[in-house]
Amino acid sequence: EAGVTQFPSHSVIEKGQTVTLRCDPISGHDNLYWYRRVMGKEIKFLLHFVKESKQDESGMPNNRFLAERTGGTYSTLKVQPAELEDSGVYFCASSNTGDSPLHFGNGTRLTVT
Amino acid sequence: AQSVTQLDSHVSVSEGTPVLLRCNYSSSYSPSLFWYVQHPNKGLQLLLKYTSAATLVKGINGFEAEFKKSETSFHLTKPSAHMSDAAEYFCVVSVNTGFQKLVFGTGTRLLVSP
Repeated sequence: EAGVTQFPSHSVIEKGQTVTLRCDPISGHDNLYWYRRVMGKEIKFLLHFVKESKQDESGMPNNRFLAERTGGTYSTLKVQPAELEDSGVYFCASSNTGDSPLHFGNGTRLTVT
Repeated sequence: AQSVTQLDSHVSVSEGTPVLLRCNYSSSYSPSLFWYVQHPNKGLQLLLKYTSAATLVKGINGFEAEFKKSETSFHLTKPSAHMSDAAEYFCVVSVNTGFQKLVFGTGTRLLVSP
């Protein structure tokens, strides 16, 4: 089966610009998660979808971040406007049920200059 | 609140020697604990998972971890390192909310020399 796919693998943007990250979960996985690792820090939870519904978005850092999962398939994470501290690696993961192991994508490395 | 502490940011071993990556956890109840590995430019891969069924957990690629409640530890071990084990390893605890809201440690980079 195809794994979790993330696009792009790398993105370099200037401060103030907008960037949209995309995640395609494993087919049939209702649970989709976003995590991120900013430079020098640990990986942190951002939010969790079940199908198209946000179950927990307590990790979203501020209102410059918007995650969507229209139709319950792929998800996008938009950062607008991007700030320097948003640089890091953004991981997407999916799972079949709520407590089954996560399958992670390779991540999107975002650099804000 | 649940948390994990990885005691070493880097560990260097020679190929064929044992590996020990240390992790201590903090949890107000019996935790779900994991070890994940990330190879360069790859996603995070689950090595093993502890969920109270057995204190010694065997994972993939010859790794295992032992849950010690008295020491609040969940150290990862492997009897003999291989060059392909060079990667970053994360000790992780799950917040018990019915889904995988994971709290990661800061990671330990394992270096394996010939």
